[in-house]
Amino acid sequence: AAGVIQSPRHLIKEKRETATLKCYPIPRHDTVYWYQQGPGQDPQFLISFYEKMQSDKGSIPDRFSAQQFSDYHSELNMSSLELGDSALYFCASSLPHQGNTIYFGEGSWLTVV
Amino acid sequence: DQQVKQNSPSLSVQEGRISILNCDYTNSMFDYFLWYKKYPAEGPTFLISISSIKDKNEDGRFTVFLNKSAKHLSLHIVPSQPGDSAVYFCAASDNAGGTSYGKLTFGQGTILTVHP
Repeated sequence: AAGVIQSPRHLIKEKRETATLKCYPIPRHDTVYWYQQGPGQDPQFLISFYEKMQSDKGSIPDRFSAQQFSDYHSELNMSSLELGDSALYFCASSLPHQGNTIYFGEGSWLTVV
Repeated sequence: DQQVKQNSPSLSVQEGRISILNCDYTNSMFDYFLWYKKYPAEGPTFLISISSIKDKNEDGRFTVFLNKSAKHLSLHIVPSQPGDSAVYFCAASDNAGGTSYGKLTFGQGTILTVHP
């Protein structure tokens, strides 16, 4: 079965650079969530989209922005990168009003040097 | 402020025995709870969930129990297998607006090791 696809899987950027992560949800899932997991930490909710509109916002820095496109894929844009942004970024998707089952992608490793 | 807590960082169990992973929460608005299994550098894999209107949900070897009055839930794995060795995360959501199911608050995780 198709899963949540994230790209790139690994990314190395320098401080103050910009990075873009992409997420392709499971087919027919129109709700997308972004999470950040720092080293040794639990995943932290960043932002979510439902039907291309932002539905919830968590602890997402102002330097980050995200959007969901007409094909329901989502992109997380991170600017002015800091060393502390180094983390595993997860995307998850679910059917509308069925967050009972939220499926995660494999994650994108961002390393800021 | 850790709203979802898994107080046991690790658990070691013999193959064939029961594994019991515990989770406590403080936010009484949480109405949906999930358990995820995670390997290093991979995404969390959904295991089982429970709504606050239930006190038990079973799926094969996995059973989740919810005690709302104690704000406590547990995941039972019977029988435990070596392939179950992973980090287990408890997560909770407060679906206030109907689109917040996926806004999960995670616990810190418990490393389960099942010995052959």
